[in-house]
Amino acid sequence: EADIYQTPRYLVIGTGKKITLECSQTMGHDKMYWYQQDPGMELHLIHYSYGVNSTEKGDLSSESTVSRIRTEHFPLTLESARPSHTSQYLCASSGLGGGTQYFGPGTRLLVL
Amino acid sequence: RKEVEQDPGPFNVPEGATVAFNCTYSNSASQSFFWYRQDCRKEPKLLMSVYSSGNEDGRFTAQLNRASQYISLLIRDSKLSDSATYLCVVIGSYNQAGTALIFGKGTTLSVSS
Repeated sequence: EADIYQTPRYLVIGTGKKITLECSQTMGHDKMYWYQQDPGMELHLIHYSYGVNSTEKGDLSSESTVSRIRTEHFPLTLESARPSHTSQYLCASSGLGGGTQYFGPGTRLLVL
Repeated sequence: RKEVEQDPGPFNVPEGATVAFNCTYSNSASQSFFWYRQDCRKEPKLLMSVYSSGNEDGRFTAQLNRASQYISLLIRDSKLSDSATYLCVVIGSYNQAGTALIFGKGTTLSVSS
């Protein structure tokens, strides 16, 4: 089993609230990723990091931001949640190769 | 055109059936290919990598045709536990920050007794 954790698993929140989705891994991986997946749709990369203090935007534009202050921790923040942010957010990490990514259980976000 | 396209599902098959999934990718510079499995409301997990020479892992066989930009997954003797969505995954271009996985939409397999 992969040692990558996400909290909360489910979040229902009102419009305009600031939220932070947590992701931590204990595998010592340098590379970490955030994906967004709507029901029945493909995963889209929204952020990635290749190490501490390195963050990049992914292929899908997102209003969220990320930080990587510690190797094991890669939180995602939405400053002002909107209904359009309702989705599942999956965090992943990988070793050097990048092809084998280990995913966390995901956070299902519902913004009312 | 999407970067990774897969057969539309769902595939509904009886136990013991052989089922094949196809996938095409648009970027001829793509270097690495994988099949991931995603169970309902769960996270994706790596099923197998796809090598140029083709590779087999038990009942699962993956093949790559670079000339046609085509990847396949064959599942023999389907089990109920094979029911899941199978994601075709391609590593996109290597940028200065590293690699990025491009996921297909997935093909859903439902195996019934």
